[in-house]
Amino acid sequence: EPEVTQTPSHQVTQMGQEVILRCVPISNHLYFYWYRQILGQKVEFLVSFYNNEISEKSEIFDDQFSVERPDGSNFTLKIRSTKLEDSAMYFCASSGNRNTGELFFGEGSRLTVL
Amino acid sequence: GESVGLHLPTLSVQEGDNSIINCAYSNSASDYFIWYKQESGKGPQFIIDIRSNMDKRQGQRVTVLLNKTVKHLSLQIAATQPGDSAVYFCAENRGSQGNLIFGKGTKLSVKP
Repeated sequence: EPEVTQTPSHQVTQMGQEVILRCVPISNHLYFYWYRQILGQKVEFLVSFYNNEISEKSEIFDDQFSVERPDGSNFTLKIRSTKLEDSAMYFCASSGNRNTGELFFGEGSRLTVL
Repeated sequence: GESVGLHLPTLSVQEGDNSIINCAYSNSASDYFIWYKQESGKGPQFIIDIRSNMDKRQGQRVTVLLNKTVKHLSLQIAATQPGDSAVYFCAENRGSQGNLIFGKGTKLSVKP
């Protein structure tokens, strides 16, 4: 069964460092997302991406965040200068249809900022 | 403010019993309401969704009920199994690009 894959599974970084989280969405999907989940809390929307541009972003997704689809398979989330409060699980998701609620999530990348 | 939330943070049931997980929402404009299951250390997994013009939808062992009058969503799991133990999130599709707004989650524990 096709799945969304994410790397790394866990990254530890120092405050102020840049981090890039990588995702390979399901190959025939067109809509891509990043969500995050602070430990023990709900899943929060960060950004959606379609047709090589950001479709929508939340208030969390400030100028420190960027997304890119550098080739036909990868979808990346970059945090330019990490803060302690960026520590969370980051989930990539993809969808073939934006008009339902069925997103396919990866297993997440845990980011720990020290 | 507008939000999707859950009534109970934890639910403990006996194996074989039926489970009911509830959710309240406030945005009447949402097109879809969805239930996701999240097992420990994993990403959310789609269970079932329901369109706003429906009031009931059934899947395999699961039923979602939507009451638009009181803005209430529920997930019923029949014959709950240990493998159903997880955190369950309701979510709504509000955005034009399929963005989901998640509720806080209910942890379901199934006792053998």
